Amino acid sequence: GAGVSQTPSNKVTEKGKYVELRCDPISGHTALYWYRQSLGQGPEFLIYFQGTGAADDSGLPNDRFFAVRPEGSVSTLKIQRTERGDSAVYLCASSSSGRGYNEQFFGPGTRLTVL
Amino acid sequence: AQSVTQLDSHVSVSEGTPVLLRCNYSSSYSPSLFWYVQHPNKGLQLLLKYTSAATLVKGINGFEAEFKKSETSFHLTKPSAHMSDAAEYFCVVLNYGGSQGNLIFGKGTKLSVKP
Repeated sequence: GAGVSQTPSNKVTEKGKYVELRCDPISGHTALYWYRQSLGQGPEFLIYFQGTGAADDSGLPNDRFFAVRPEGSVSTLKIQRTERGDSAVYLCASSSSGRGYNEQFFGPGTRLTVL
Repeated sequence: AQSVTQLDSHVSVSEGTPVLLRCNYSSSYSPSLFWYVQHPNKGLQLLLKYTSAATLVKGINGFEAEFKKSETSFHLTKPSAHMSDAAEYFCVVLNYGGSQGNLIFGKGTKLSVKP
């Protein structure tokens, strides 16, 4: 079956612009995670959805970052007034449940470059 | 709080020789630990996981890891490296302090395999 997909695969934008990154999880997975991977680092947690609600957004770096999952499936990560420091690969993962541990399946990521 | 430390940023081995990627963990709880692999331009893939069952864990592609509580270590090994093993490897701990299920990644170890 289809895995986690993310679009676009690459996004180049200018400082100060607004961007949206999309994640399509595996069908039926109720838990969805966003991570950010900066160059030379491991992924860092941003936000976790269980169904439609953000169960934990403690990893969002500041209020320029926001994410939604209105129907409990597709999620969009939104970044306002982008800064050069936002350049990174944004990863999405989904799992069958957020309780305890169920394997998280990762998408290929969106590489965001802010000029 | 939980954390993992990968002791080597880069490991280089010859094809057919053993692989050892080192990871130490810190956790206030009995940890759940994982190794993920990331090939270039591909999504993260789970290699193996430890969740308080057997301390020697076998994963995919001939990899295994041993949980050693006395040494707070979870090193990844493989008896004989293949060229296809060249990738970035991440040691990961499950975060019990935040949402149930978000992952905390180490900084990664890049494995190079020489012919």
